[in-house]
Amino acid sequence: QVQLKESGPGLVQPSETLSLTCTVSGFSLTSYSVSWVRQPSGKGPEWMGRMWYDGDTAYNSALKSRLSISRDTSKNQVFLKMNSLQTDDTGTYYCTRDDLNNSFDYWGQGVMVTVSS
Amino acid sequence: DIQMTQSPPVLSASVGDRVTLSCKASQNINKNLDWYQQKHGEAPKLLIYYTNNLQTGIPSRFSGSGSGTDYTLTISSLQPEDVATYYCYQYNSGPTFGAGTKLELK
Repeated sequence: QVQLKESGPGLVQPSETLSLTCTVSGFSLTSYSVSWVRQPSGKGPEWMGRMWYDGDTAYNSALKSRLSISRDTSKNQVFLKMNSLQTDDTGTYYCTRDDLNNSFDYWGQGVMVTVSS
Repeated sequence: DIQMTQSPPVLSASVGDRVTLSCKASQNINKNLDWYQQKHGEAPKLLIYYTNNLQTGIPSRFSGSGSGTDYTLTISSLQPEDVATYYCYQYNSGPTFGAGTKLELK
């Protein structure tokens, strides 16, 4: 069955770089796109960016200067790197499978990231 | 960026009620809108895609409608398990979510 699982550090220092990994199973990264979506506690989600099935990427314009998404298809993994973290980057980070309509049809459990010194 | 305004922010309703949640876009989004349900402590779940298409496995009491800038999620008969926060999401341009409507039982 389709599964996605996020992993990475729970605590990041201000101004440092966040590195997260999304490990997928049950589908191919060359057939489906994967997005990263984050959600501050008590607020609505925010789409961060997408790794398209063909290897291309798309980013939220508000985050584009700080964000990089890459993948390793042999390991079924998609990576997120975001630099210059600040306290308002605190929240839960999800990876999602994007269906043919670019809807988020499967979600990982999420990983909580706190930016604090 | 397209702004998505959901109303009301909080809605209290009774079991069996017909419930309507609204989502208004700051410009025409050409029906490129999904609805997601998020229960406490869980990841969001896709309910409705492209305005009015029911995702597989979602109960038929959920339905969506709308066009242009105005969209609606309707629950025909509220069930206790529907208590959640509901988000609209537009992907017409520079994808954005609404702030959500929290649905509570009265």
